[in-house]
Amino acid sequence: GESVGLHLPTLSVQEGDNSIINCAYSNSASDYFIWYKQESGKGPQFIIDIRSNMDKRQGQRVTVLLNKTVKHLSLQIAATQPGDSAVYFCAETHTGNQFYFGTGTSLTVIP
Amino acid sequence: EAGVAQSPRYKIIEKRQSVAFWCNPISGHATLYWYQQILGQGPKLLIQFQNNGVVDDSQLPKDRFSAERLKGVDSTLKIQPAKLEDSAVYLCASSLTSGGAWAGEQYFGPGTRLTVT
Repeated sequence: GESVGLHLPTLSVQEGDNSIINCAYSNSASDYFIWYKQESGKGPQFIIDIRSNMDKRQGQRVTVLLNKTVKHLSLQIAATQPGDSAVYFCAETHTGNQFYFGTGTSLTVIP
Repeated sequence: EAGVAQSPRYKIIEKRQSVAFWCNPISGHATLYWYQQILGQGPKLLIQFQNNGVVDDSQLPKDRFSAERLKGVDSTLKIQPAKLEDSAVYLCASSLTSGGAWAGEQYFGPGTRLTVT
């Protein structure tokens, strides 16, 4: 099966600092990637996505970087807020149907 | 816009019993997904429907799990008989489209937490 992994299972940052969450994937054919945020007791919530023909995409306070050479994906959150505390998952697909999720990184924002 | 609805939110059953989960996707969304999320792991796709047809069920344990989406709207996922390792959160998601590089944003429901004792 696919292998989508995250480098760090937990991350703690001070409020106002920037956060960087990393993700490695193994399938070089993957062509679409998504970052999700999951709060306790809720389903994953879409944050941002990126296609394989791009290396950077920006949203509101979030940026996703894609490095296809080393099969690495990162999510940058600017000016991290307490409401950003959650588990973050990367997901990838090369068919547009079967999405493979990583294990997740738990982000804790310290006030 | 109403989100993806799921019920029940919680279910506790004994092993070898049967259980069913219900999902109502966002109106107009053609694609519906069922995921299994074991504690501490990312969601794993069990089955994907496009309207009322199955697109992918390669990771569905078909000896005990079944799912249907008869009218291309609501869907049910059934487990019969349940095993201890089926304890997980079962997530339903829907998207407007599927396939291709832009697969369409998936909207997730709150999930059903199943505990098998």
